[in-house]
Amino acid sequence: DGGITQSPKYLFRKEGQNVTLSCEQNLNHDAMYWYRQDPGQGLRLIYYSQIVNDFQKGDIAEGYSVSREKKESFPLTVTSAQKNPTAFYLCASRGRTAMNTEAFFGQGTRLTVV
Amino acid sequence: AQSVSQHNHHVILSEAASLELGCNYSYGGTVNLFWYVQYPGQHLQLLLKYFSGDPLVKGIKGFEAEFIKSKFSFNLRKPSVQWSDTAEYFCAVKTSSNTGKLIFGQGTTLQVKP
Repeated sequence: DGGITQSPKYLFRKEGQNVTLSCEQNLNHDAMYWYRQDPGQGLRLIYYSQIVNDFQKGDIAEGYSVSREKKESFPLTVTSAQKNPTAFYLCASRGRTAMNTEAFFGQGTRLTVV
Repeated sequence: AQSVSQHNHHVILSEAASLELGCNYSYGGTVNLFWYVQYPGQHLQLLLKYFSGDPLVKGIKGFEAEFIKSKFSFNLRKPSVQWSDTAEYFCAVKTSSNTGKLIFGQGTTLQVKP
């Protein structure tokens, strides 16, 4: 089945450690997005990518990094520089950037810093 | 900077009541508009979308939304809510610029009492 897979579903990290969240899609979508969801703040854009080997910072990119080496993959690294990393992280993908298409979302990864 | 504002953060209704959730955006150019829903424990799903044409769009589960360009608004409506509509609702905007940015509002939690 086509879709977006995020792994793991739950992730625990010790303070000071980097951690990478996985996002894979088999929808042949060009654009991919990472959002952070916190209660009362909606979805805030961390990074997005419209094409392989290219990505742009969103509204809250500090303390995060991404790569887009393959069309189907857009991993997010939460670095130790992120001051408040405990959150629910959502990955999304969207079809051809120039066309009118909606975004599809993964199930999310809940990251907890312990 | 582009932004999306949802006026109602938490709405409580009784079954059969009518629903209207407000959404305003700030961007002067062409936009694509979306409403997404997140049922408890589930991933984000598309309710409806507007790209062009008839400003009154109908979505799944009896929802509809009206795009009023002069007011930069895209309010979500449903004539008669059901207990199963209890969820969090997000308005989103994709601007026509080449950045491909997809921006979400803060979300509205809808609680429907049986």
